[in-house]
Amino acid sequence: AQKITQTQPGMFVQEKEAVTLDCTYDTSDPSYGLFWYKQPSSGEMIFLIYQGSYDQQNATEGRYSLNFQKARKSANLVISASQLGDSAMYFCAMREGGGTYKYIFGTGTRLKVLA
Amino acid sequence: KAGVTQTPRYLIKTRGQQVTLSCSPISGHRSVSWYQQTPGQGLQFLFEYFSETQRNKGNFPGRFSGRQFSNSRSEMNVSTLELGDSALYLCASSSWGREDALDEQFFGPGTRLTVL
Repeated sequence: AQKITQTQPGMFVQEKEAVTLDCTYDTSDPSYGLFWYKQPSSGEMIFLIYQGSYDQQNATEGRYSLNFQKARKSANLVISASQLGDSAMYFCAMREGGGTYKYIFGTGTRLKVLA
Repeated sequence: KAGVTQTPRYLIKTRGQQVTLSCSPISGHRSVSWYQQTPGQGLQFLFEYFSETQRNKGNFPGRFSGRQFSNSRSEMNVSTLELGDSALYLCASSSWGREDALDEQFFGPGTRLTVL
């Protein structure tokens, strides 16, 4: 069964430093997508970055990059040059191919950026 | 392009009542998914609709139902509300049209339901 694990309930990072949020997944489907979302206190889920299982290179979107290690089944999010506005909950999610049409979410990591 | 909209944003109901939440997807998106988010259970998938057909359903009781209209707008209904139904209900839209399409979902702001 597909599963997403985020082992860090909370993280602190100093402003302007980089931080890595961990995510491991489990699936037997060779076709899947991995996603990271940010949820500020307002509640809205904001899409950050996507990595497909067949992508050869790690995804990057501005200050966000995804460290994809397929053999280890990990998809860690790296935020470079942290900003105060990065303080939020971060969720890792996975969607399998084959017509499942649903996401499985991890339990999230609460990131606090310190001034 | 306008984002996903959800109405109402906040709702207070009492046990035993029913509630209907509405979601309008991004223009051109034909897939709408619903999620329930609670502090204890996290984000849980409720169901997904595409072209007015439910394609997948999560593990929720039959009190939770949904539908999608021809314009892709979707509603979810919860009947006989229980205290445990208090949650943030999130709607997400996507252009998913193929089984192997791995497009991202875009979420609305959510409806915060409180059951007293």
